[in-house]
Amino acid sequence: EPEVTQTPSHQVTQMGQEVILRCVPISNHLYFYWYRQILGQKVEFLVSFYNNEISEKSEIFDDQFSVERPDGSNFTLKIRSTKLEDSAMYFCASSVLPRGGNYGYTFGSGTRLTVV
Amino acid sequence: SQELEQSPQSLIVQEGKNLTINCTSSKTLYGLYWYKQKYGEGLIFLMMLQKGGEEKSHEKITAKLDEKKQQSSLHITASQPSHAGIYLCGAASQGGSEKLVFGKGMKLTVNP
Repeated sequence: EPEVTQTPSHQVTQMGQEVILRCVPISNHLYFYWYRQILGQKVEFLVSFYNNEISEKSEIFDDQFSVERPDGSNFTLKIRSTKLEDSAMYFCASSVLPRGGNYGYTFGSGTRLTVV
Repeated sequence: SQELEQSPQSLIVQEGKNLTINCTSSKTLYGLYWYKQKYGEGLIFLMMLQKGGEEKSHEKITAKLDEKKQQSSLHITASQPSHAGIYLCGAASQGGSEKLVFGKGMKLTVNP
């Protein structure tokens, strides 16, 4: 069964450093998303990406965050200058239809980011 | 902003028992999604409900949507240890939005 692959599974970084979280969505999916989950809290929407551009972003997704789909297969989330409060599990998801439709999203297993 | 309230927050049941989880929205629902999450892993899509009165089943899991009450229920029949995990409901925050808002989740433990 096709999977969404995220790397790395864990990342520890110093405050102020840049991090890039990588995702390989399912090849025939058109809609791409990043969500995050701070420990013990809800899963929160960060950004959606369609047709090579951001289609929607949340208030969390400020100028420190950016996304790219550089080569038609990878989908990356960059945090330019990490803060302690960026520590969370970051999930990439992809779907055939907006919001997943009847098929839902396919989520990756997540990258646990720890900012120290 | 839209909020999804899930109840109960957690449940421990004996294998073979039936159970029901509820998800209530603070605003009009434009599609309600159920996902399951195992600890430390990604979310797995279970089913999506869109129309009032709609009911869907997947193996021993049945979900219903009550549009008027802005509520969905998820029912598990004859629970098994494999049903253990965190069940999350998600909803579109408004009609044309890409964003899904999730509830806090309901942690289910099934004892053999």
